[in-house]
Amino acid sequence: NAGVTQTPKFQVLKTGQSMTLQCAQDMNHEYMSWYRQDPGMGLRLIHYSVGAGITDQGEVPNGYNVSRSTTEDFPLRLLSAAPSQTSVYFCASSYFGNSGANVLTFGAGSRLTVL
Amino acid sequence: GENVEQHPSTLSVQEGDSAVIKCTYSDSASNYFPWYKQELGKRPQLIIDIRSNVGEKKDQRIAVTLNKTAKHFSLHITETQPEDSAVYFCAARRAGGSNYKLTFGKGTLLTVNP
Repeated sequence: NAGVTQTPKFQVLKTGQSMTLQCAQDMNHEYMSWYRQDPGMGLRLIHYSVGAGITDQGEVPNGYNVSRSTTEDFPLRLLSAAPSQTSVYFCASSYFGNSGANVLTFGAGSRLTVL
Repeated sequence: GENVEQHPSTLSVQEGDSAVIKCTYSDSASNYFPWYKQELGKRPQLIIDIRSNVGEKKDQRIAVTLNKTAKHFSLHITETQPEDSAVYFCAARRAGGSNYKLTFGKGTLLTVNP
């Protein structure tokens, strides 16, 4: 049971380049999400998904695309990287608990630098 | 949408003292309030959570209190230890349907001095 696996851990891009951050979970969680973490800004939700084929925008979706073709995978795509997208990205997943709680399991994070 | 304010942004205490971090939320329909701890260079991990039908919850040295009327909740850490040093995030989630989006506060850097 690997939990939530993110790749790559580090990436340097030039402005205008595209790339995909990969996220996979093996816990059969319905809910998956992407957050970015910037100093002093906390964790801001980019996109999320409540199941295969269903995605929706979070607080800061501009410049990012997602898809959810399987329960396990939730990749985050940067179509044309900008310096403002320099950040640490976390993928997180959870089940829909009957108790009303959803405990997020986070990946280890991906540090992206855009020059 | 939901807005979560967290204070203070930094907190320094002596080992053995208590630490309190406070959060306020804007959406009266929010019903789930977790707290996450993030050690330096690590991923956030849940340390305690509370639902809106409960006013207080304790787990050893950690407790969370919720005041629905005032729309604020707090994390209390007693007998702090150096390993409690980390960034703490509060969060809130609005009830209803398949809405499982968590809105986080901006975090509190807690430093416990030996």
